[in-house]
Amino acid sequence: GQNIDQPTEMTATEGAIVQINCTYQTSGFNGLFWYQQHAGEAPTFLSYNVLDGLEEKGRFSSFLSRSKGYSYLLLKELQMKDSASYLCAVWDYGQNFVFGPGTRLSVLP
Amino acid sequence: KAGVTQTPRYLIKTRGQQVTLSCSPISGHRSVSWYQQTPGQGLQFLFEYFSETQRNKGNFPGRFSGRQFSNSRSEMNVSTLELGDSALYLCASSLVGDGGNEQFFGPGTRLTVL
Repeated sequence: GQNIDQPTEMTATEGAIVQINCTYQTSGFNGLFWYQQHAGEAPTFLSYNVLDGLEEKGRFSSFLSRSKGYSYLLLKELQMKDSASYLCAVWDYGQNFVFGPGTRLSVLP
Repeated sequence: KAGVTQTPRYLIKTRGQQVTLSCSPISGHRSVSWYQQTPGQGLQFLFEYFSETQRNKGNFPGRFSGRQFSNSRSEMNVSTLELGDSALYLCASSLVGDGGNEQFFGPGTRLTVL
């Protein structure tokens, strides 16, 4: 079966750093994606990991450990506009994209 | 480059009716995937089309169907609508849909079933 877990909600302060974790169990694996979704809008791509390690992209970084079925998204220098839902998704050969439930992040002033 | 477009943006239907949603992918993208998003279930994969063929299918009843045309545009049909079908329906396109390419999402069609 497939299972992707993320915390439901997180709160952080403007300027701080926050780490959003994602654990997964899928029958196949060909990459892990992170998407950002603002309320009422479509998801937008943030990052893609297929090999173990850290991928950095500006204020956003994503880490993957395939042996542990674990990933995290790190957001630095938080801004109010970062308040959104963050979706972890695994590309599973047998099932296409499998999305986690999403983590709703609230950034407070 | 124009993004993914979906029409209509909003729809209100009653139980038992059927509905057809349309998605135009980014030019050059050949893979189109459809998702249902609800507050309780999150984003769930419906099906994926590539070169006019359904390549993958999620765990949805046969009332949900789709097709893709030669220009890569895709339609999704839901027959005999139920209240539980109320959701945001998103389509996403990618170059070849092999997992190595990111998916670009359209704005979605919000379907309300009364």
